[in-house]
Amino acid sequence: GEDVEQSLFLSVREGDSSVINCTYTDSSSTYLYWYKQEPGAGLQLLTYIFSNMDMKQDQRLTVLLNKKDKHLSLRIADTQTGDSAIYFCAESPTAGNKLTFGGGTRVLVKP
Amino acid sequence: AAGVIQSPRHLIKEKRETATLKCYPIPRHDTVYWYQQGPGQDPQFLISFYEKMQSDKGSIPDRFSAQQFSDYHSELNMSSLELGDSALYFCASSPRQGRTDTQYFGPGTRLTVL
Repeated sequence: GEDVEQSLFLSVREGDSSVINCTYTDSSSTYLYWYKQEPGAGLQLLTYIFSNMDMKQDQRLTVLLNKKDKHLSLRIADTQTGDSAIYFCAESPTAGNKLTFGGGTRVLVKP
Repeated sequence: AAGVIQSPRHLIKEKRETATLKCYPIPRHDTVYWYQQGPGQDPQFLISFYEKMQSDKGSIPDRFSAQQFSDYHSELNMSSLELGDSALYFCASSPRQGRTDTQYFGPGTRLTVL
């Protein structure tokens, strides 16, 4: 079955770059997503990447996909205190299918 | 832009009671998903609907049922509530036409079972 794993915690200084890593086991994963969840709030879609892409950049966010190693990363440039949240990666094998989430990485941005 | 609407936002129930959670997808989205997020956990898929038909089923207890109506809104019915059902319940919607499968989540309903 699908398994998605993330590191639990990341601490970063304001203005630095953050890199959140995610690994997945399902080789048929076609769609990979990053969601942000602030305390007590819903899941905000940040960005997504298709498995036929290696990289996607969207303003301060850069997603890198290493399909061979089944490794996904999210880089946040110039991290701000408002970026403090839990970040979930998620995968879906086909369009219209359920999402399988990683355990989430709690990012703490220190001033 | 319109987002996914869930109601109620908070719900408190006693053990063995029933609860109904509602989800209104983004306009022109025809697929609805339900997820359960326990305290400190990642969201777990429960069930999904496409064009009013169940399209996939996850770890949804038999005590729970759901349906999607002709206006595409969905309801999650939960009976014989247990303490372990206390969680944040998310609804997400996506448009089939674009085939990007991007799911947009609602703010969630926090269910507390006492």
